[in-house]
Amino acid sequence: AQKITQTQPGMFVQEKEAVTLDCTYDTSDQSYGLFWYKQPSSGEMIFLIYQGSYDEQNATEGRYSLNFQKARKSANLVISASQLGDSAMYFCAMREGGSSNTGKLIFGQGTTLQVKP
Amino acid sequence: DTEVTQTPKHLVMGMTNKKSLKCEQHMGHRAMYWYKQKAKKPPELMFVYSYEKLSINESVPSRFSPECPNSSLLNLHLHALQPEDSALYLCASSQDPGQGRNTIYFGEGSWLTVV
Repeated sequence: AQKITQTQPGMFVQEKEAVTLDCTYDTSDQSYGLFWYKQPSSGEMIFLIYQGSYDEQNATEGRYSLNFQKARKSANLVISASQLGDSAMYFCAMREGGSSNTGKLIFGQGTTLQVKP
Repeated sequence: DTEVTQTPKHLVMGMTNKKSLKCEQHMGHRAMYWYKQKAKKPPELMFVYSYEKLSINESVPSRFSPECPNSSLLNLHLHALQPEDSALYLCASSQDPGQGRNTIYFGEGSWLTVV
């Protein structure tokens, strides 16, 4: 069965510093996709970045980058130059690919990030 | 700003009431989803609509009834709910559920309180 593990329930980072949020996953599929979402206290789930299992390069989107280590089954999110507005809950999620893809996302338990001024 | 719009933002309903949550997207997506999220927990999938047909029901109680009137709209009809159904309900959409690369975009959510 698919599983996503986020081992950091809460983290603090100083404003303008970089921070890494950990995510490991378990799947027997060869084709899958990994997502990171940000959820502020308002509730909206904001898409940040995507990494496909066959992508050879690590994904980057502005200040967000994904450190994808396929052999270790890890997909850590790196946020550079943290801002106060980055304070939120962050979820790592996985979706199966290929013909068995139902569109269902499996989420980790989330990491609460607080940025200190 | 999200391109998936959910209404209402907040809903308080009694256990005998009938209400509906509404979701709309204009991105031409053909898959739409309902997720339920309890406080400090990750979202859990409830339903998937693919090309306007219900493709997944994650054993959701019948007091929750989804409806997809067209490819842009998704409703969740609520009837005889229990206080434990109080949660954030998230609507989402993606271009095609069969393509793993397709990003799933979420709305702002509807906060439901059952009293």
